[in-house]
This record gives sequence, C-alpha cells and structure tokens, in this order.
Amino acid sequence: AQRVTQPEKLLSVFKGAPVELKCNYSYSGSPELFWYVQYSRQRLQLLLRHISRESIKGFTADLNKGETSFHLKKPFAQEEDSAMYYCALSGPAQGGSEKLVFGKGTKLTVNP
Amino acid sequence: GAVVSQHPSWVICKSGTSVKIECRSLDFQATTMFWYRQFPKQSLMLMATSNEGSKATYEQGVEKDKFLINHASLTLSTLTVTSAHPEDSSFYICSARPWTSGRFMSDTQYFGPGTRLTVL
Repeated sequence: AQRVTQPEKLLSVFKGAPVELKCNYSYSGSPELFWYVQYSRQRLQLLLRHISRESIKGFTADLNKGETSFHLKKPFAQEEDSAMYYCALSGPAQGGSEKLVFGKGTKLTVNP
Repeated sequence: GAVVSQHPSWVICKSGTSVKIECRSLDFQATTMFWYRQFPKQSLMLMATSNEGSKATYEQGVEKDKFLINHASLTLSTLTVTSAHPEDSSFYICSARPWTSGRFMSDTQYFGPGTRLTVL
C-alpha cells in the first residue's frame, strides 16, 4: 500500500536557522515524490519534485531509497517560508491512472 | 501559468439537498481532473478521477451515487454531492493535469482554491 508519513504536525524555527521537514514513504514500486506548499489563504502549489533535482526558493529534497525518505531542507529559513507543507507520492489510482497520495502535512512557522 | 478555478468557494445547504461544485481549467485543457476531500487538520484524500468523455473512477470507499462527477468538456468537471448530510461537510478541492496534442503536458497537477461545504 502507498503511504506517506510526515511525523511532525508543527515545526517552529527562527529566521536564519536551518529547517528540515521530514517525509517517509511506503511504496513497492519506483516512487515519484513531490513537495507541495500551501501559503496562508492560498491554494496548494507544487514546490519541487525529486525527478527534477532542483532547488526552489532555497529548498532541496533528496530521495533516499534506502531510508525511504524524501526530507525537505533549507539552510536558512525565512519568515515568508511559513506555510503548510505536504509531501506526496505518485502512484496508481483506480482505473489505471495515477494519483497523488499526500502526507498529513507539516505546518512550518518561521519566527522573526 | 496554469490556473484552476472552483465555484462556489463556499456553500451552506440544508440536509437532504444536492450541491454542485464546478472545477474549471482556465488556460489549458485537461482530460483528467481529480477531486479531493480534506477534513479539518487532515490531509487531502483522493475521492475520484474525472475523465473527459467517460465515467469517473472512484477510489475505494467513495460512493459514486453519492458523489456524482461529470466531465463534459476539456475544461470543466463538476462534482455533485447528492442528498447532502452534515457528515458531508468538508473542504473539496479539485486539480487538473494539462493536456495537449494527445498527451499530458506535465505530470504536475494544478490545484483549485477549494470549496467549503457546510451541511446544516
């Protein structure tokens, strides 16, 4: 079964501090993983995906198949990073299409 | 960029009535749209995949007669909650994958802003 676990509901750091949002997954196939972000009063939007191996807004995430993890990291957090972060895994849906399985999310607060 | 809209943004209805929620892709075509449900302080759960020109495919445990989905065009999918009850109160979110020339342009899903449904 596909499952995404985000162990921290809340994470609070000070501006300029490093931040790491944890994500672990369970999937029998070759996983495709994403991080989505939802800023206050805004819609869910893609932050980054493991395939592209890019850094967005200073965030990076590395897929570790051995540890089945896809933690999101940023070396120096900014106040504008405060948001809800969801880790998601792409897997098969009913009928053969693909679906996103989301973790429960981590609310990041960056304090001044 | 790719924009998905939902209408209405919030709705309050009496128990037993039906409510229709629209999901539109504003600047791209989408043969596939997805409907999610989000309970307070919980994650998004996929309810069904809406396929243009064919029947929607529902996830396990989702009643297809309760949540009617119609994907009549390449830019519009509707979700109708039939005979709504208080337990159907939730935040409903749709997403869409851009499609052109017979293939998906991206594996990225673009999300709508969501619809808050409250059933009294």
